[in-house]
Amino acid sequence: DAKTTQPPSMDCAEGRAANLPCNHSTISGNEYVYWYRQIHSQGPQYIIHGLKNNETNEMASLIITEDRKSSTLILPHATLRDTAVYYCIGIYNTDKLIFGTGTRLQVFP
Amino acid sequence: GAVVSQHPSRVICKSGTSVKIECRSLDFQATTMFWYRQFPKQSLMLMATSNEGSKATYEQGVEKDKFLINHASLTLSTLTVTSAHPEDSSFYICSAREKHSTDTQYFGPGTRLTVL
Repeated sequence: DAKTTQPPSMDCAEGRAANLPCNHSTISGNEYVYWYRQIHSQGPQYIIHGLKNNETNEMASLIITEDRKSSTLILPHATLRDTAVYYCIGIYNTDKLIFGTGTRLQVFP
Repeated sequence: GAVVSQHPSRVICKSGTSVKIECRSLDFQATTMFWYRQFPKQSLMLMATSNEGSKATYEQGVEKDKFLINHASLTLSTLTVTSAHPEDSSFYICSAREKHSTDTQYFGPGTRLTVL
């Protein structure tokens, strides 16, 4: 599985867009980029995933660079409830998820 | 969306006793389920992978005789912590991957185990 690098923490003002970067320079052509988040004392929540193209769903958008070496998760209008640890994971589609340390996003009023 | 439940949500037990945690996929069939453990202020650590009807595959360093996993049906996997000790106190989380799906895993809410 691809090794991913994320900043340990980020802040974002409520109502603004939160842009969370992830570096996965060793990702291979068949590995997906998955994003999960974990709110304190809860199980991780699936957010979005992609392979090559940008993706959007009701929770977020995922922008993957053309060379696939990095990606950005965008929460378009962050709320206080988006405060969580966000995990970016590179994985083959049938593999197990290996969690790194993630980015702790703090949304403030 | 896919929903995974866990029971109980929290349990307190005495040292030396065994505790069973259930993981259920409520609205889909899961051929594969995963068990994780999370200590305070740490990330999730994968303990084992279980496939319906077969033996679980344990990660390095996880004792298979201490953490018994059974995946008897497409909607239920159980983790039994045998002869629990205080160092087994942790947050245990399961995830399930949908049958016919090649990827997305959905997680349960977790079980907080405290061993006295």
